[in-house]
Amino acid sequence: DIVLTQTPLSSPVTLGQPASISCTSSHSLLYSEGNSSLSWLHQRPGQPPRLLIYRVSQRFSGVPDRFSGSGAGTDFTLTISRVEAEDVGVYYCTQATQFPYTFGQGTKLEIK
Amino acid sequence: EVQLLESGGGWIQPGESLRISCAASGFTFSTFAMTWVRLPPGKGLEWVAGISVSGYSINYGDSVKGRFTISRDDSKNTVYLHMNNLRGDDTAVYYCARNSTDVFDLWGQGTMVTVSP
Repeated sequence: DIVLTQTPLSSPVTLGQPASISCTSSHSLLYSEGNSSLSWLHQRPGQPPRLLIYRVSQRFSGVPDRFSGSGAGTDFTLTISRVEAEDVGVYYCTQATQFPYTFGQGTKLEIK
Repeated sequence: EVQLLESGGGWIQPGESLRISCAASGFTFSTFAMTWVRLPPGKGLEWVAGISVSGYSINYGDSVKGRFTISRDDSKNTVYLHMNNLRGDDTAVYYCARNSTDVFDLWGQGTMVTVSP
């Protein structure tokens, strides 16, 4: 199975400051020429997850442009350019390159 | 409105069976693969099972293989998860999600399954 490892697991940040989360895969997530199936999800307490970023760097419809994704192969990063109060919650990376699909452990974003 | 609505969760004893459902509306259900994901209390998301368009390809997570069965009824725009021999560590909120190729782009609100004596 592909293991996704997120760092940090907890991230206290100041409003208006940047934040970044790393996701390292145990195997390359390339599944076709130039495409890697790595997505980022955000989940607030008591709510379902919502898609933020797909295929490493594609921002999903309605997602603010302060969210961006980058990386290739086995190393990926989610960056929030300026954290806002509504960004609190848990962030997960996930891969759909190989069954069984897997998630990272989750990174809890909190406001200092 | 484009949405997924799960139902059928509840409290159940270890060793028993339960079927949960996910009804889709607002989009052409038959053209999408579907997946089940769960969130155990205090833990992270876990992929449970996935079913392709027409149901020709089905896959399961390691912890549920042999006990859970995913199925779909395109005439009812519904995907199901049949869960047998339930255990305490199956306690979780169960979400269904739409697969748009390799992307989980639409999620339901979830249904809680509690396995306890």
